[in-house]
Amino acid sequence: DQQVKQNSPSLSVQEGRISILNCDYTNSMFDYFLWYKKYPAEGPTFLISISSIKDKNEDGRFTVFLNKSAKHLSLHIVPSQPGDSAVYFCAASFLGTYKYIFGTGTRLKVLA
Amino acid sequence: DARVTQTPRHKVTEMGQEVTMRCQPILGHNTVFWYRQTMMQGLELLAYFRNRAPLDDSGMPKDRFSAEMPDATLATLKIQPSEPRDSAVYFCASGPRPTAASGNTIYFGEGSWLTVV
Repeated sequence: DQQVKQNSPSLSVQEGRISILNCDYTNSMFDYFLWYKKYPAEGPTFLISISSIKDKNEDGRFTVFLNKSAKHLSLHIVPSQPGDSAVYFCAASFLGTYKYIFGTGTRLKVLA
Repeated sequence: DARVTQTPRHKVTEMGQEVTMRCQPILGHNTVFWYRQTMMQGLELLAYFRNRAPLDDSGMPKDRFSAEMPDATLATLKIQPSEPRDSAVYFCASGPRPTAASGNTIYFGEGSWLTVV
């Protein structure tokens, strides 16, 4: 029973365009969400997070949107760059705890 | 440059053998995690410790897996006996004490790639 779902296993985008990665969750009690990026043969690295009191958080080219009523979050990358090609994991947890539930990941390929 | 260090990076072993993976968390981090990455399940939490005490190991198969933290600088994950279905990448991660203000960011090691044949 996947509590956090990333339904698109892969996504290809042209360089300079917007990449949109999606994530759905089932537990309405989650109140903290994160995105991690993973390159091959490396560990995941933290990218951006959002708490449930917000609906948007922005950091440079990366913006995370949270729609609590739909139990949906998305990561927007604008503009996309070839170096963004990686696997992106979304995760949900309860603020103040570390029990993350990760999705299965979306492999993003940015084409030059 | 503080980072989580894992050994071995790669391990190939025969079914039935014991496997031990080691992790050195970032100095000062009091919470340590073991995750497993598989194609089907993504990143699964196996166990985590706070101040060296196990907090949750509900994701770990108890009959063959064990996790310990003998001191603040070393965490171990042991599989005995190993089986082919244990083949995966095992990640250790560490984090400072979580607070409502600082959020929940944790830092991953590079992983131990285990193949059981």
